[in-house]
Amino acid sequence: GENVEQHPSTLSVQEGDSAVIKCTYSDSASNYFPWYKQELGKRPQLIIDIRSNVGEKKDQRIAVTLNKTAKHFSLHITETQPEDSAVYFCAASWDHTGNQFYFGTGTSLTVIP
Amino acid sequence: DAGVTQSPTHLIKTRGQQVTLRCSPKSGHDTVSWYQQALGQGPQFIFQYYEEEERQRGNFPDRFSGHQFPNYSSELNVNALLLGDSALYLCASSLVDGNEKLFFGSGTQLSVL
Repeated sequence: GENVEQHPSTLSVQEGDSAVIKCTYSDSASNYFPWYKQELGKRPQLIIDIRSNVGEKKDQRIAVTLNKTAKHFSLHITETQPEDSAVYFCAASWDHTGNQFYFGTGTSLTVIP
Repeated sequence: DAGVTQSPTHLIKTRGQQVTLRCSPKSGHDTVSWYQQALGQGPQFIFQYYEEEERQRGNFPDRFSGHQFPNYSSELNVNALLLGDSALYLCASSLVDGNEKLFFGSGTQLSVL
């Protein structure tokens, strides 16, 4: 089955700096890669996703890049704000319709004001 | 438009007992997936239901079973509870055909004593 690894497990940045979280996957059949943000005690919320036919996607301060050959994808947050503090999870799946998602172990991001 | 709703929000059981968790999908969604999230870990896929049938199953024992009703709502049943079953149980809904993304509920926090 698929195996998703996520690094780092914790990340602290100063407000305004950039944050980068990296994930690798093992199954070349995976072609959908969402990122979720989970605040303490709340539901995971989809913040951005990318399909395997695209190398990069951007939404305001958030971007995701995908390298299919190397089987890794990354989340980039620019101009970080205190409200970006949360746990971020990457995931891999065959598609977006809810087929089994394989999640990474999460990155706890702290943005220091 | 209500999102995914789960009940109860918290539950305390003792070893050996049985538990039933409930989920109502987001309006318009026809597929329900269940995930187990242990403390400090990413969600782990339990199974997915579509058209009242189990469509996919993750690496969980038969003690974990489920059901989907004609109105698309779903139940997760866990028999013979173990201490290790303590976790946040997340329900997620999606639409098999279309561009609707996976949408999570806030979860049921199960504690097994």
